[in-house]
Amino acid sequence: DGGITQSPKYLFRKEGQNVTLSCEQNLNHDAMYWYRQDPGQGLRLIYYSQIVNDFQKGDIAEGYSVSREKKESFPLTVTSAQKNPTAFYLCASNRDRLYGYTFGSGTRLTVV
Amino acid sequence: GESVGLHLPTLSVQEGDNSIINCAYSNSASDYFIWYKQESGKGPQFIIDIRSNMDKRQGQRVTVLLNKTVKHLSLQIAATQPGDSAVYFCAENYGGATNKLIFGTGTLLAVQP
Repeated sequence: DGGITQSPKYLFRKEGQNVTLSCEQNLNHDAMYWYRQDPGQGLRLIYYSQIVNDFQKGDIAEGYSVSREKKESFPLTVTSAQKNPTAFYLCASNRDRLYGYTFGSGTRLTVV
Repeated sequence: GESVGLHLPTLSVQEGDNSIINCAYSNSASDYFIWYKQESGKGPQFIIDIRSNMDKRQGQRVTVLLNKTVKHLSLQIAATQPGDSAVYFCAENYGGATNKLIFGTGTLLAVQP
């Protein structure tokens, strides 16, 4: 079945470390997105990519980086510059603007 | 406008009642709208969508209503069940060249048995 796979489901980071969250899709979607969700709150856009080898900053890009070298993959790196990284991270994709997103199941990142 | 991490409003209903969740969208040029359901600890799931050339669309136990005059979207859930308890998000596409959706702040639906 087609879908989006996020890994790992849970991730623990020490202070000062960079960590990378994986997002892979086999839906042949051009556009992919990363959102951050804090407890009891909505979705905030970190980065998005409309096509391979291109991406744009969202509303809260500081302290994060992405790459889009393959259509299927859109990894998110949480750098040590992100001072409050503990959150639930969601990856999504869609085929064009008149279709909704398909979301992954999320990665819960905790700083220890 | 953009989701800015506000705390979620809550709608509490009795099991078996109908629920109505409302959303005010921001851009009069938006031409595509969608509702998602998010259960605790999971990714959002598609419920129903509607394009701006329609006023109403029905699914299984759900109906979406679009009022473009006042930029208002609503989700009606018939005979609400405990399994409907979740956070519900509306989203819009502003039109133009971007595929990006703009999400509302979300509403927590709590179904009382």
